[in-house]
Amino acid sequence: ILNVEQSPQSLHVQEGDSTNFTCSFPSSNFYALHWYRWETAKSPEALFVMTLNGDEKKKGRISATLNTKEGYSYLYIKGSQPEDSATYLCALSGGSYIPTFGRGTSLIVHP
Amino acid sequence: SAVISQKPSRDICQRGTSLTIQCQVDSQVTMMFWYRQQPGQSLTLIATANQGSEATYESGFVIDKFPISRPNLTFSTLTVSNMSPEDSSIYLCSVEETETQYFGPGTRLLVL
Repeated sequence: ILNVEQSPQSLHVQEGDSTNFTCSFPSSNFYALHWYRWETAKSPEALFVMTLNGDEKKKGRISATLNTKEGYSYLYIKGSQPEDSATYLCALSGGSYIPTFGRGTSLIVHP
Repeated sequence: SAVISQKPSRDICQRGTSLTIQCQVDSQVTMMFWYRQQPGQSLTLIATANQGSEATYESGFVIDKFPISRPNLTFSTLTVSNMSPEDSSIYLCSVEETETQYFGPGTRLLVL
C-alpha cells in the first residue's frame, strides 16, 4: 500500500496571494504523480501528470514540480483567485496505473 | 477526454436500505472504476468493473456489500447494500485514459 501525504490539510488565502502545498510519497516504486483539482459538486479535474525527476508542469497560474529522489511534489498557485477555491488532490501510481490518492488540500481564496 | 455522468447526484437514505448508483460514459471503455471518499479521508478505490466478467474488489470491500453490474462498455452500476451511517460518502466512477483517471461528478450519500 502506497502512503501519499498532503499538507496542509486546509489553507485560507486572500485574493492575489501566491500559495503552495506539498505532496509526499515513498520514493521507491514510483511510476507517475498526478495532481487533480476538485471543486464542490463537480468532477475531479486532472491538472498534471509527471513521471520524471525534475519535471515541471504549468497550466496558467498553476504549476507543479516533482522530486522523485526525495519523494515530494509541490503545487504552486500564483496570484490566487476565488475561482481557485477547491480541494487539490495528489495521487501516486506505483507500477499499477491505478493511483493511490492523498487526502487533499482544501484551498479557500477570500475575495 | 471521456465525459462521465452519474445518477443520482445526491441522496439521503435510511439505514438498512440499499441505493444503486448509475454511471454512464460517452465512449466505450474496457474498465470502469468505483471510488468513495468518506469525510476527511482520501479517495479510495472500491472495485474495478470489467464488461463481461465479475468485478475485482480492493481489500476491505466485498461483493455482498457493494455489488456491481457492467452490462456493456459504456455503463455500470454500484449498489450500496444494507446501508449504515458509515457508508455516508461521495461515490465516484471513473475511467482511465492515457494513464490518467477521469471522474464523474460523484454521488453524495448521507445515511441516517
